[in-house]
Amino acid sequence: GENVEQHPSTLSVQEGDSAVIKCTYSDSASNYFPWYKQELGKRPQLIIDIRSNVGEKKDQRIAVTLNKTAKHFSLHITETQPEDSAVYFCAASNSNSGYALNFGKGTSLLVTP
Amino acid sequence: EPEVTQTPSHQVTQMGQEVILRCVPISNHLYFYWYRQILGQKVEFLVSFYNNEISEKSEIFDDQFSVERPDGSNFTLKIRSTKLEDSAMYFCASNEVLAGYGYTFGSGTRLTVV
Repeated sequence: GENVEQHPSTLSVQEGDSAVIKCTYSDSASNYFPWYKQELGKRPQLIIDIRSNVGEKKDQRIAVTLNKTAKHFSLHITETQPEDSAVYFCAASNSNSGYALNFGKGTSLLVTP
Repeated sequence: EPEVTQTPSHQVTQMGQEVILRCVPISNHLYFYWYRQILGQKVEFLVSFYNNEISEKSEIFDDQFSVERPDGSNFTLKIRSTKLEDSAMYFCASNEVLAGYGYTFGSGTRLTVV
């Protein structure tokens, strides 16, 4: 089955700096890669996603890049703000597994003022 | 915005007891899922459900687990004989289409087995 690795497990940046979180996946059939933000005690919330026919996608301060050949994808947050502090999860899915989401272990991002 | 509703928000149960976690998916969604998250760990897929039957399940979803859509609105997860290691947050999700995108997660049920 699909295995998603995520790094780093913790990330601390100063407000205004950029943050980058990286994920790799194992199943070349995976074709959809969402990123979720989870605040303490709350549900995962989709912040951005990318499909395998696209290399990069941007939404305001958040961008995701995908390298299908290398099987890795990354989340980039620019101009970080304290409210960006949360746990971020990457995931991968494909039709072979009925589009079940396979999550990485998460990155705890702390943005300090 | 439509939401997936889960009840209860927190359930405490004794080891060996049966629990039923309830979910009301978004009304026009056809695909339903249960995920769990042990405290401090990643979210893990348990099971997907479509057309009144299980379509996919993970290794975690063993014989102690079952799912049901008893009526047109509810989607339930039953754990027959709870173990300490079943303590986790359980998230229900639904989707309008069979795809990775479009998932809507519920707010979760925190299950504590004592």
